[in-house]
Amino acid sequence: GDSVTQMEGPVTLSEEAFLTINCTYTATGYPSLFWYVQYPGEGLQLLLKATKADDKGSNKGFEATYRKETTSFHLEKGSVQVSDSAVYFCALIQNAGNMLTFGGGTRLMVKP
Amino acid sequence: DTEVTQTPKHLVMGMTNKKSLKCEQHMGHRAMYWYKQKAKKPPELMFVYSYEKLSINESVPSRFSPECPNSSLLNLHLHALQPEDSALYLCASSLRQGGFAEAFFGQGTRLTVV
Repeated sequence: GDSVTQMEGPVTLSEEAFLTINCTYTATGYPSLFWYVQYPGEGLQLLLKATKADDKGSNKGFEATYRKETTSFHLEKGSVQVSDSAVYFCALIQNAGNMLTFGGGTRLMVKP
Repeated sequence: DTEVTQTPKHLVMGMTNKKSLKCEQHMGHRAMYWYKQKAKKPPELMFVYSYEKLSINESVPSRFSPECPNSSLLNLHLHALQPEDSALYLCASSLRQGGFAEAFFGQGTRLTVV
């Protein structure tokens, strides 16, 4: 079956540092890929998405590129802020699929 | 309006109580979902409704009973829950089931069973 693997956290960074959160997947075909963010005590918010190979999703300074050759969708941000502290989930869904497959989540802590 | 609204935000219930969680969206989405999320874990799918019909039940115990009265509303009826059912319950919706259509999540209901 499909699966998503994320780097284990927590990831602790200083403000303005560069962020990378690794995400790799195992799936047949060409699934759609997503990054969701969950702030403390809240639900999940869609951060960005990509629906085909080489697509780059971007939002709020975050970016991720759909790499079919390495089955990866790594999340990056050039300069993190304290307000980016949250849990980040990588996820996929098959085009004919019924449900999201989530990675385990990565907690990001940004210190002033 | 890209909002999925869940009520209540917090709920404490005894093991003999009956309660309901409610979810509403007005985005014209025809797929709606219930997820359960335990602390420090990703959400786990419970139920999927597509065009107001139950399409997926992920082997959820019968003490959880979903209902979709119309295309905008989704309920989760709770009865005789156990303490291990305490979790964050998330509702989500998407334009339709399947790929390309991203899911929008509500803020969740934090349920505590005592």
